[in-house]
Amino acid sequence: QVQLVQSGGGVVQPGRSLRLSCGASGFTFSNHGMHWVRQAPGKGLEWVAVIWHDGTNKYYADSVQGRFTISRDNVKDTLYLDMDSLRAEDTAVYYCARVLKGGMDVWGPGTTVTVSS
Amino acid sequence: EVVLTQSPGTLSVSPGERATLSCRASQKINSDYLAWYQQTGGQAPRLLIYGASTRAAGIPDRFSGGGSGTDFTLTINRVEPEDSAVFYCQQYGRTPFTFGPGTKVEIK
Repeated sequence: QVQLVQSGGGVVQPGRSLRLSCGASGFTFSNHGMHWVRQAPGKGLEWVAVIWHDGTNKYYADSVQGRFTISRDNVKDTLYLDMDSLRAEDTAVYYCARVLKGGMDVWGPGTTVTVSS
Repeated sequence: EVVLTQSPGTLSVSPGERATLSCRASQKINSDYLAWYQQTGGQAPRLLIYGASTRAAGIPDRFSGGGSGTDFTLTINRVEPEDSAVFYCQQYGRTPFTFGPGTKVEIK
């Protein structure tokens, strides 16, 4: 069935880096744009980044611009989020999500990132 | 950046009643590129509506979206107990894409 499987979360010190992965199955990954969305503890949803289906375009939230990089491997059917210079305010559950006609119609289960010394 | 404002912050409704949620944008949203999501507990969000008024696959017809430009609504007809959740609007007409702060729907 259509699903997204996430990995890579954990506890990391401020200023360090972390890579999140999101593996896709059950659909043609290369046909869909993909998003990262995060949710800080007790807070609402915050859009993080989007990448076009073929990787040609990438856009970021101002809060992560220059520190986070979204990428994809359409051979491995995997989406990535490389997070550098992590801050306490980056602590959140991170979700990957598939684009369908603009909406995010399939979501991963989320992975928790905690930035703390 | 397009700022989305949702009202009310919390809505308390009885089963069988209608719930109307509002989402207002600080700028006109291109081509009505607005979506609605439902999030229950600690689960991932679920897409309800895209393109302002098109229901996503498998979404009951009790849920309907409307509006255009800067003012949008999500209507839940005949509210059921399992509709207790936080509902978010999100615009994808202009980057950075943004979410509203959410409306919490409580069932009496």
